[in-house]
Amino acid sequence: QVQLQESGPGLVKPSQTLSLTCTVSGGSISSGSYYWSWIRQPAGKGLEWIGRIYTSGSTNYNPSLKSRVTISVDTSKNQFSLKLSSVTAADTAVYYCARVRDGYNYNYMDVWGKGTTVTVSS
Amino acid sequence: SYELTQPPSVSVSPGQTARITCSGDALPKQYAYWYQQKPGQAPVLVIYKDSERPSGIPERFSGSSSGTTVTLTISGVQAEDEADYYCQSADSSGTYKVFGGGTKLTVL
Repeated sequence: QVQLQESGPGLVKPSQTLSLTCTVSGGSISSGSYYWSWIRQPAGKGLEWIGRIYTSGSTNYNPSLKSRVTISVDTSKNQFSLKLSSVTAADTAVYYCARVRDGYNYNYMDVWGKGTTVTVSS
Repeated sequence: SYELTQPPSVSVSPGQTARITCSGDALPKQYAYWYQQKPGQAPVLVIYKDSERPSGIPERFSGSSSGTTVTLTISGVQAEDEADYYCQSADSSGTYKVFGGGTKLTVL
């Protein structure tokens, strides 16, 4: 079955750019009826949707993060990535990648990575 | 920005029924989804399209919708159901996804 694995630095300095990659295994990232998302969760807090990308490259971002977020996809590597610029301590969180089942008028996150903790600190 | 509202906590005794609500103005137009998250683990989908149950999810989990409120019902709660539960939906355009603040279910 499809599995997702986040990877990237666990520590990022303030004002720098956070970069994470999600590697998809057990299936093709280009399989029909799916797109790919990033979600984050500060310690002890709730989930926050960051954005999504289709394998065509089309993206949508959370309006509250839009000016700082870029999500990209590399179908040849079966990966998609997250970049978040100008980070502050408020961006410290567990970052999850997820596969989203995309249907007519519905979509849901049916496979999640285990999450990776990113701390923003000097 | 669009918001989904959940109660912060719900407590029930084993064997009782737990109901967790989620309210949002766009819920009559957009489906809701429910995720269960246990400490240190990634969320797991337990209900999709308001009331559908994924394979492998126990039958005691069910969902319903009425107007601007959706409800996750857990019948015959077991100790293993103690977790945080999040509803998720989208704004009226369907483009931007949003999670509720989460509800901590405590099994007494």
